[in-house]
Amino acid sequence: GIQVEQSPPDLILQEGANSTLRCNFSDSVNNLQWFHQNPWGQLINLFYIPSGTKQNGRLSATTVATERYSLLYISSSQTTDSGVYFCAVGKGGGADGLTFGKGTHLIIQP
Amino acid sequence: GAVVSQHPSWVICKSGTSVKIECRSLDFQATTMFWYRQFPKQSLMLMATSNEGSKATYEQGVEKDKFLINHASLTLSTLTVTSAHPEDSSFYICSARDLRGTEQYFGPGTRLTVT
Repeated sequence: GIQVEQSPPDLILQEGANSTLRCNFSDSVNNLQWFHQNPWGQLINLFYIPSGTKQNGRLSATTVATERYSLLYISSSQTTDSGVYFCAVGKGGGADGLTFGKGTHLIIQP
Repeated sequence: GAVVSQHPSWVICKSGTSVKIECRSLDFQATTMFWYRQFPKQSLMLMATSNEGSKATYEQGVEKDKFLINHASLTLSTLTVTSAHPEDSSFYICSARDLRGTEQYFGPGTRLTVT
């Protein structure tokens, strides 16, 4: 099956800093999603981005499908950004489930 | 839009009993729903794919007789953990795919503890 690697596994930053999270995947995909898992376990959809670039406030993401990687940028970090960020990919026409990376555990210190 | 609910949020049951978890898409129709499991401090693992009106497809290593899935309508899928054991204790999360696209929307999860 498809492999998904996220880096770094852990990241500790001061409030206000910027960060870049990376997701590498081993095969072509037609679905790539970034999530933030809050302390209660809820997965918050950040981006649906199988290719291209998107921005939403302080967050932006870029996927270079031909090179099989995606990047999530967080600017001006806030303590509420803390949590685990997952990248997940899928093949097929939407009938396939997602394969998740192991996540990046982000801690923003005040 | 694109809200998925799960019920219950958490459940404690005794070993040997069965537990049913519901997953509903509240404001869209979903021909395909997915069930994932997450153990503490680990990532999510796909358990099965649920298609409305047909049998579920299980991932390798997931016992279909233990994890019964029913997708009776375009907005409801259920997961029943039969004869639960302590090792089944986990966080179970469902997702649903809108008919019109490939993006998946996730429910809030159900935390199962088997004593």
